[in-house]
Amino acid sequence: DAKTTQPTSMDCAEGRAANLPCNHSTISGNEYVYWYRQIHSQGPQYIIHGLKNNETNEMASLIITEDRKSSTLILPHATLRDTAVYYCIVRVEDDMRFGAGTRLTVKP
Amino acid sequence: EPEVTQTPSHQVTQMGQEVILRCVPISNHLYFYWYRQILGQKVEFLVSFYNNEISEKSEIFDDQFSVERPDGSNFTLKIRSTKLEDSAMYFCASRQATSTDTQYFGPGTRLTVL
Repeated sequence: DAKTTQPTSMDCAEGRAANLPCNHSTISGNEYVYWYRQIHSQGPQYIIHGLKNNETNEMASLIITEDRKSSTLILPHATLRDTAVYYCIVRVEDDMRFGAGTRLTVKP
Repeated sequence: EPEVTQTPSHQVTQMGQEVILRCVPISNHLYFYWYRQILGQKVEFLVSFYNNEISEKSEIFDDQFSVERPDGSNFTLKIRSTKLEDSAMYFCASRQATSTDTQYFGPGTRLTVL
């Protein structure tokens, strides 16, 4: 089973920041936090990952708490095209286990 | 930007028939994967493949399934004697060499078994 807990669904207004939380209280020291998203039934799309430090790329920012037991994915300016299911995954090696994710709906 | 590609996008087959799903991983990637997603359910890991052999497989990946890298570019999933419950989206993924490298997914093949 997935080692993460995410809210089932969230709404966000277009143009606002979307903050998606994830709990991973049993994370091990060598496990990375990965975020993917899936739009409709398309293939999961990689967003960002991190180990300890906060990370930022052209798509999003990842904030990891100091104790690493939770993290937040931030989409700074959500658009309608960001409506998707967002998966938070903790992994080391090839143990990629998808949970149910958070269904984010961006509303006009 | 390099992408994982999959063909066909949609495959319809009769129960009991064999199907082969094809994937072209990103060219410099060394590890290859198949996942499936039954409609409305989670993405499930099936198998990982490295150096021309299976490195890990899930309990779903039974004798009905096989994988192959027949040449330097393709990676295939064969399902023998398909069942109705094999209907799902099948995703291929690949990654580079180190264990923390990101897995990149293809667009998927929708398999419908009638």
